[in-house]
Amino acid sequence: RKEVEQDPGPFNVPEGATVAFNCTYSNSASQSFFWYRQDCRKEPKLLMSVYSSGNEDGRFTAQLNRASQYISLLIRDSKLSDSATYLCVVTLYGGSQGNLIFGKGTKLSVKP
Amino acid sequence: DTGVSQDPRHKITKRGQNVTFRCDPISEHNRLYWYRQTLGQGPEFLTYFQNEAQLEKSRLLSDRFSAERPKGSFSTLEIQRTEQGDSAMYLCASRAGPSNEQFFGPGTRLTVL
Repeated sequence: RKEVEQDPGPFNVPEGATVAFNCTYSNSASQSFFWYRQDCRKEPKLLMSVYSSGNEDGRFTAQLNRASQYISLLIRDSKLSDSATYLCVVTLYGGSQGNLIFGKGTKLSVKP
Repeated sequence: DTGVSQDPRHKITKRGQNVTFRCDPISEHNRLYWYRQTLGQGPEFLTYFQNEAQLEKSRLLSDRFSAERPKGSFSTLEIQRTEQGDSAMYLCASRAGPSNEQFFGPGTRLTVL
């Protein structure tokens, strides 16, 4: 079983749609959680950290359920510019090494 | 532009040749990471430096791979006797001590013929 599993995608949605990505992680010792965005042939960039209380940044809402080892990302009112691959990421260590463990990513295409 | 630079951006080599990549992290970041990403996959961790010390290596890092960060600033990743399976994007990331965010460079895309 892979350490971080995501919806396989791709997701093809019209502009203005709401889209949700799901992710599960296998190691209960995971301490930090993130969503990264990766545009085609570019490097990953941090979209947002994910906290147990849930957090929101504009049209983006992230949720974490430690008991279920489940992470989600909700994008409301999707824009053409949201088209990218969304990577679910965990780390095992909160402070020291902190190497990132990535899911395979879910590709989103927002169409006019 | 995150401030992390990598060189070269693209490298095509023949099987069996040695290649070396360079990463220049954000100047005040003491933590540096190397990852490898193949098509359709997320990046996979290779190795980690804190200052000049290499503190962790993934089992993905075979004996043909070596990484250095001699003065705690830039880092190099060398692959000896390249194989076609080494073809991938090699990403470098850096992080400041108290922050969890890692900033990635643009990557070096390696093609082994």
